[in-house]
Amino acid sequence: DIQLTQSPSFLSASVGDRVTITCRASQGMSSYLAWYQQKPGKVPKLLIYAASTLQSGVPSRFSGSGSGTEFTLTISSLQPEDFATYYCQQLNSYPLTFGGGTKVEIK
Amino acid sequence: EVQLVESGGGLVKPGGSLRLSCAASGFTFSSYSMTWVRQAPGKGLEWVSFISGSSSYIYYADSLRGRVTISRDNVKNSLYLQMNSLRAEDTAIYYCARVIHCGGDCLDYWGQGTLVTVSS
Repeated sequence: DIQLTQSPSFLSASVGDRVTITCRASQGMSSYLAWYQQKPGKVPKLLIYAASTLQSGVPSRFSGSGSGTEFTLTISSLQPEDFATYYCQQLNSYPLTFGGGTKVEIK
Repeated sequence: EVQLVESGGGLVKPGGSLRLSCAASGFTFSSYSMTWVRQAPGKGLEWVSFISGSSSYIYYADSLRGRVTISRDNVKNSLYLQMNSLRAEDTAIYYCARVIHCGGDCLDYWGQGTLVTVSS
C-alpha cells in the first residue's frame, strides 16, 4: 500500500499569505495525486487531480505540482474561505489512500 | 444536479450489523464507479471500498475486508454497504462518493454522509 505523509499537519496563516502544503508518498507514483479541501462540518471537495490539474470551478490561487514521491499544494494568496483541512489522495493503485490532513487556521 | 444521499447509519452494539444505502440522482449511475469513504470523529479520511459501474471490479480496505460487502443496484440507482461484526473503531461518518477517471480514480461528488456509532 502507498502511504502518504502530509506536512505540516497544522499551520497558522494570515489572509493574503502564500501557503504551501507537502505530500510525500512511500513509493513513486508519477502524477497520480489529488488534493481535497474539507471545511468544518462539510464534505470534502476535489480541488486538484493529476497533481496539477485544477478541478472545474476551483479558484486559480490554488495550484499543485510535483511527481514521483513529492507533491505540493500552494495557495498563492490565502482567502478567508480557504481556512479548512486539506488532504492529498493517491490515485495510483488500490487501496486508495489519503494523507493525514493539514489544517489551515487563521493566525 | 448530481446528488448522493446516504442513509442507514445509527447506533449499533459491537458485533452488530448495519446496511448503508446511497441514493444517486442527476447522472447516469450505471456509467460510474462508486466508492465508500469514512471519517472517524475528528480524524482524517479513510477509503473503505470501491465498486465499478457493472460491479465487475470490487475492492476493499484491509481493515474491513471480510466484514463489509459493497453492492449496487443500477435499476434503483443505489449503492450499498453491508457492514457486519462491527467494532468500536468502525464509528465514523460514512460517505459515498462518485469516482471519475482523472488519470487515476478521483472522487468528484460526495454525499453528506451517514453516522455509524458502534457502542454498547
